[in-house]
Amino acid sequence: NAGVMQNPRHLVRRRGQEARLRCSPMKGHSHVYWYRQLPEEGLKFMVYLQKENIIDESGMPKERFSAEFPKEGPSILRIQQVVRGDSAAYFCASSPISGANVLTFGAGSRLTVL
Amino acid sequence: AQTVTQSQPEMSVQEAETVTLSCTYDTSESDYYLFWYKQPPSRQMILVIRQEAYKQQNATENRFSVNFQKAAKSFSLKISDSQLGDAAMYFCAYGGGGSEKLVFGKGTKLTVNP
Repeated sequence: NAGVMQNPRHLVRRRGQEARLRCSPMKGHSHVYWYRQLPEEGLKFMVYLQKENIIDESGMPKERFSAEFPKEGPSILRIQQVVRGDSAAYFCASSPISGANVLTFGAGSRLTVL
Repeated sequence: AQTVTQSQPEMSVQEAETVTLSCTYDTSESDYYLFWYKQPPSRQMILVIRQEAYKQQNATENRFSVNFQKAAKSFSLKISDSQLGDAAMYFCAYGGGGSEKLVFGKGTKLTVNP
């Protein structure tokens, strides 16, 4: 089992460009969570998805950010028109069941906005 | 809303000694989980130990143990026989109460001196 796979590990974008971060959950896991870690901070919840459904997006900024978890393929976190404040590490976690007590985290994707 | 506070931004310990990292939390829920995660320079989030709130017995994983004081809402991590590989950021996290989210503290940077 390859674990939770995130790519790219590092992504550099200029202001105004789009960033797409991908997360492949562990085999058999149908619950995906995205967290953001700003410099010198702990992780903060962004969104919780199950296959083809957004369950809780209460931590997502209202604009420019979106997430999906299609029936086939990885979960995608998309940031449109990136700004410098979007520079952060974005972590994906997956779980075989609902509930945040059995999460496995990926290694994160580090976004740098120039 | 639940909050997690780690009052020690940095700690240091001599190799082979014992160190305790502090964590307090605030919740009105009675059923929840508490976690300690380790984040080494690789940025991977690694689960160190987990405690169910309904269990009175403190969780232990090899050299890592917790002191869970439910009434005081305190959840400290003790690392015994510290090793150089223990050097990392340590995050305390709260989960449960029917929520899918983990709430993280800001972290404690642990340095292990040879």
